[in-house]
Amino acid sequence: AQSVTQPDIHITVSEGASLELRCNYSYGATPYLFWYVQSPGQGLQLLLKYFSGDTLVQGIKGFEAEFKRSQSSFNLRKPSVHWSDAAEYFCAVAPGSNDYKLSFGAGTTVTVRA
Amino acid sequence: NAGVTQTPKFRVLKTGQSMTLLCAQDMNHEYMYWYRQDPGMGLRLIHYSVGEGTTAKGEVPDGYNVSRLKKQNFLLGLESAAPSQTSVYFCASTRANEQFFGPGTRLTVL
Repeated sequence: AQSVTQPDIHITVSEGASLELRCNYSYGATPYLFWYVQSPGQGLQLLLKYFSGDTLVQGIKGFEAEFKRSQSSFNLRKPSVHWSDAAEYFCAVAPGSNDYKLSFGAGTTVTVRA
Repeated sequence: NAGVTQTPKFRVLKTGQSMTLLCAQDMNHEYMYWYRQDPGMGLRLIHYSVGEGTTAKGEVPDGYNVSRLKKQNFLLGLESAAPSQTSVYFCASTRANEQFFGPGTRLTVL
């Protein structure tokens, strides 16, 4: 069974600074990989996804993620954080090949200080 | 086009009571899912459906039942609610490997 680990429970970053959120997965093959963002009291919004091809994926809101097969990682980055990026971020994997059931990491809460 | 909607948004139950959560999608998606979200645990899959009339168990199905009588609706039932089922419940539907999530239902079981 696949599993997802987000090692950082909480990250605090200054506005304008860069942000990197870590995600490691455990799965026999290369799964489909996703990052979602959840603002307080809201549902989940897809930031970006990786299925195959170019290992650097661009998403919405200025986010990008890099798939590294050798490290079983899919880390999320943003060069310059805005106060509106304060939220909880979830990494998720799906087996792929018409199997779309998602397994989520525990989430990383991002606090942005002025 | 409302996307994925969930009813109700909030509910408080007493232990032993029953209730049904409704998920509706207007995107003609085949696949639908129910997740629960608990602090520090991310989202966990309860049940899912790959089409009208089909349902299957996910990671944490105990204490829940589901039905998919119409393609656009996916119902989650709690027959006898327990405090351990206090959670936020999210429904989702899938198109092209992307899941679209509803706004969630916050359920408290006293």
